Amino acid sequence: DTAVSQTPKYLVTQMGNDKSIKCEQNLGHDTMYWYKQDSKKFLKIMFSYNNKELIINETVPNRFSPKSPDKAHLNLHINSLELGDSAVYFCASSQPRPPYEQYFGPGTRLTVT
Amino acid sequence: AQSVTQPDIHITVSEGASLELRCNYSYGATPYLFWYVQSPGQGLQLLLKYFSGDTLVQGIKGFEAEFKRSQSSFNLRKPSVHWSDAAEYFCAVGSGNTGKLIFGQGTTLQVKP
Repeated sequence: DTAVSQTPKYLVTQMGNDKSIKCEQNLGHDTMYWYKQDSKKFLKIMFSYNNKELIINETVPNRFSPKSPDKAHLNLHINSLELGDSAVYFCASSQPRPPYEQYFGPGTRLTVT
Repeated sequence: AQSVTQPDIHITVSEGASLELRCNYSYGATPYLFWYVQSPGQGLQLLLKYFSGDTLVQGIKGFEAEFKRSQSSFNLRKPSVHWSDAAEYFCAVGSGNTGKLIFGQGTTLQVKP
């Protein structure tokens, strides 16, 4: 019974394409997050939504646009993909109160060629 | 600005030996502190957390960590390492009231038979 799931697990695409990654959680959490893990395994937050409202928007190119249709889903759409977008993208969720204990999905490995 | 430092990029221990992974943080207020483990090709699994109370916290898989405010540290320990503990370990600090996690660079643990 998967708590936080992401699709697809692997995504290989060419530069300039537009792609989406989907995330769903069944933990009943109100807050969801997107993190990017680069080739050196460094993890950095990109966005966070609380009950469909954007609350964290780090310095991320405008080509990245999160969308939360409901509090159980948070999707990430990426326009005009670039080589530097190649990374593993993780979705996470938590309750909207301290300590914001986050549970992560399995990740989506995006490769841009 | 908040930051997390994991001084050891790579650690190798023999199976059955004890383990300590170091983590130092920089944060003005009482931090929320976490340790996550990432096995190859997998997502991040929460090992343990600290946000108040007893400074020695117990986690899953036999791990524990001690919060030392005077040293700004939250080191992870395990008395006897198993081969299955080989993975990447991340320390993280929760920032403010948004749930944003700031991660350290990670420590790769290798276990020798």
